[in-house]
Amino acid sequence: SQQGEEDPQALSIQEGENATMNCSYKTSINNLQWYRQNSGRGLVHLILIRSNEREKHSGRLRVTLDTSKKSSSLLITASRAADTASYFCASVSGSARQLTFGSGTQLTVLP
Amino acid sequence: EAQVTQNPRYLITVTGKKLTVTCSQNMNHEYMSWYRQDPGLGLRQIYYSMNVEVTDKGDVPEGYKVSRKEKRNFPLILESPSPNQTSLYFCASSWGSRAHSTDTQYFGPGTRLTVL
Repeated sequence: SQQGEEDPQALSIQEGENATMNCSYKTSINNLQWYRQNSGRGLVHLILIRSNEREKHSGRLRVTLDTSKKSSSLLITASRAADTASYFCASVSGSARQLTFGSGTQLTVLP
Repeated sequence: EAQVTQNPRYLITVTGKKLTVTCSQNMNHEYMSWYRQDPGLGLRQIYYSMNVEVTDKGDVPEGYKVSRKEKRNFPLILESPSPNQTSLYFCASSWGSRAHSTDTQYFGPGTRLTVL
């Protein structure tokens, strides 16, 4: 079963605007990761936030984690057309550190 | 260049004809994994391996086999493919200390499989 659910499923914005994607998960996690996928290609790791962290930044990316609500958000600031891609959250849990992906958010940034 | 490679990239086959999708990584990673990606379902883990000769089932292992005889290779075997295994398959690897075995996964380019 899918651990993570993402919201929205699709998001379309203008270049320069901020994009926010949300992810919810069901069980306790060790960490949560965000990946990006360009159409039909492999996933690329963007950022990881551990269960004892609340916020993390990397360039134009900002990730928050609320373990009490079992949710995370990814904010991309000052979006560019090149940010157009699918974004997936992935939660890591259990002793085997199994990675469970959400269904993804398709982001389209219009020039 | 550090990378995960998969072969073939595209494959069309018929029901019941055994096939193998190879996966190789050159980063000396201990952890390797196979996923399938289907529209609206995200990525689902098929099998994973924490180290050589150690493999475990993921969420959707039925109809698949794997082996891990060498650290760098993790082939995915479909003994008798069926049309419901038509999908986009990804191999991934990561460093494998037990505490952080999936901290960052590196993905291969994908194999698009069609089973007629």
